[in-house]
Amino acid sequence: DAGVIQSPRHEVTEMGQEVTLRCKPISGHNSLFWYRQTMMRGLELLIYFNNNVPIDDSGMPEDRFSAKMPNASFSTLKIQPSEPRDSAVYFCASSLGEQPRTDTQYFGPGTRLTVL
Amino acid sequence: QKEVEQNSGPLSVPEGAIASLNCTYSDRGSQSFFWYRQYSGKSPELIMFIYSNGDKEDGRFTAQLNKASQYVSLLIRDSQPSDSATYLCAVNMNERTGGFKTIFGAGTRLFVKA
Repeated sequence: DAGVIQSPRHEVTEMGQEVTLRCKPISGHNSLFWYRQTMMRGLELLIYFNNNVPIDDSGMPEDRFSAKMPNASFSTLKIQPSEPRDSAVYFCASSLGEQPRTDTQYFGPGTRLTVL
Repeated sequence: QKEVEQNSGPLSVPEGAIASLNCTYSDRGSQSFFWYRQYSGKSPELIMFIYSNGDKEDGRFTAQLNKASQYVSLLIRDSQPSDSATYLCAVNMNERTGGFKTIFGAGTRLFVKA
């Protein structure tokens, strides 16, 4: 398997623009996670889906952020409008999502977002 | 109190020494505990997980879990410069909805000096 695929790998945009990040989870995985990582705040869970349904979006910073998972093989994280403080590395991860004791997350390579 | 706490470091050890990384968690009902390694500019990758009290060994790595004290540790024997990275502790906690979610600590930076 190719692992978790994210695109784009790097994104530079100007404040106020819409940004869409994409993720393809590992085939057969039922759970998908979006994280944001910064030096100041570490790795933060934004939202996670199980069987394409959003389960916990309490980490989404504000209404400017939205996430969708229209099918088992694709998810998007959208920021509209973007702000400089959104600059971070955004990771997507997937897992089988069946057994809490052994549920291991596999991370994609991340998207480095810079908002000028 | 944060749900998962780690000393941010940096922890510096000489090559060949034992590196000891610690993590504490707040939820007594936590199910399982994971150690991830993250090299600079890369994504986290799993080293090992543990869910029973005691020690679990995998090569040069040993995870130790003490549920009564709510801490989990990772020992790296014969540390190598290639072990220099940030180590993230992650805990799977039950949710009231019946599912579970994973909470990551902030990570400990480890430097192994040649």
